[in-house]
Amino acid sequence: DQQVKQNSPSLSVQEGRISILNCDYTNSMFDYFLWYKKYPAEGPTFLISISSIKDKNEDGRFTVFLNKSAKHLSLHIVPSQPGDSAVYFCARNTGNQFYFGTGTSLTVIP
Amino acid sequence: DAGVIQSPRHEVTEMGQEVTLRCKPISGHDYLFWYRQTMMRGLELLIYFNNNVPIDDSGMPEDRFSAKMPNASFSTLKIQPSEPRDSAVYFCASSLSGVPYEQYFGPGTRLTVT
Repeated sequence: DQQVKQNSPSLSVQEGRISILNCDYTNSMFDYFLWYKKYPAEGPTFLISISSIKDKNEDGRFTVFLNKSAKHLSLHIVPSQPGDSAVYFCARNTGNQFYFGTGTSLTVIP
Repeated sequence: DAGVIQSPRHEVTEMGQEVTLRCKPISGHDYLFWYRQTMMRGLELLIYFNNNVPIDDSGMPEDRFSAKMPNASFSTLKIQPSEPRDSAVYFCASSLSGVPYEQYFGPGTRLTVT
């Protein structure tokens, strides 16, 4: 059972524009939802989190939105920069369980 | 801090051989995670430890896989015997109590089993 699902394997965005990465989840409980960024040949890097009691969390250019009725999580990057080109994983911590999505590869075109 | 350290970075072995992957977590972190990344399945949690005790090993694919954490600064993931389908990148990560989901990943070990 995929607890978190990223349906778009890739996304291309022009530099300066908004990047929107999406993630759907199932079986909601009290959770933490997370986004990680991964560059080639490196381990994932924690980016931003949101608890399931919130709707939004912002950190600089990165904002995570949680739509509990739709069971949908999104990451907005504004403005997008070429250095943001990476694979983005959504993840979830529910109690003692940890789940990762399959990733979305973002390419920011200069 | 040096971050999470994994060794080796690359491992090529023949089917049937034993493989041991090593991890040193960040000092002071009390959670340690082992993940496997493949194209088909993305990032899968294999097992994790809290204070050196295995908490959830439900992701370990089969009995050929085993993991140990003899002390707070060292963990191993062993595959015996290895098979070609075990070829993947294996990541170790560590985190602090209170925010176990904010995990710090090592650079990974790329395992190729021929």
